[in-house]
Amino acid sequence: GESVGLHLPTLSVQEGDNSIINCAYSNSASDYFIWYKQESGKGPQFIIDIRSNMDKRQGQRVTVLLNKTVKHLSLQIAATQPGDSAVYFCAENGRTALIFGKGTTLSVSS
Amino acid sequence: DVKVTQSSRYLVKRTGEKVFLECVQDMDHENMFWYRQDPGLGLRLIYFSYDVKMKEKGDIPEGYSVSREKKERFSLILESASTNQTSMYLCASSRGLAGSYEQYFGPGTRLTVT
Repeated sequence: GESVGLHLPTLSVQEGDNSIINCAYSNSASDYFIWYKQESGKGPQFIIDIRSNMDKRQGQRVTVLLNKTVKHLSLQIAATQPGDSAVYFCAENGRTALIFGKGTTLSVSS
Repeated sequence: DVKVTQSSRYLVKRTGEKVFLECVQDMDHENMFWYRQDPGLGLRLIYFSYDVKMKEKGDIPEGYSVSREKKERFSLILESASTNQTSMYLCASSRGLAGSYEQYFGPGTRLTVT
């Protein structure tokens, strides 16, 4: 089946830096994409989503960019804080459910 | 706020036991899902349900069954627990066409089978 992957399993940044987490997807027919954050011991929490009729969407301190030409999705976190340390998953719409990537662990040091 | 609750945060069971994991959502969502999450493998879909009494197999249904008798409740059943079913189990719900809307997740149940 189709799968969503992430470029890097881990990312380490300094507090205050901007973080960029990347994701590649394989199904060119996918039209809905979403980022989740999962803190240790908790379920995934919604961060931001984007549909294929958009290239960019901004939230509070987060921006998602979608490049349909190369099937690439990225999450940008501005002024990264220690509380942003977590595993981040991208997902795309499948036939019956979201299809998740394997996750990038973001570590923020002060 | 949408709330998805799971009956247990931690569970320890013996090999061969029948195990029930319960999930309840309070937002009248049509769709409910069960995933398991393992290190290096991400989230894998076990079963999902798009309506009461309706279910569909996900990617890894072997060894599991589900029940949805009421819209707000979705149960995962391990008929005869085995050690390879030790995992984190996550329940989720969503509205509308499954896969095209945000899924709301519960806190997870960490199941250990000894």
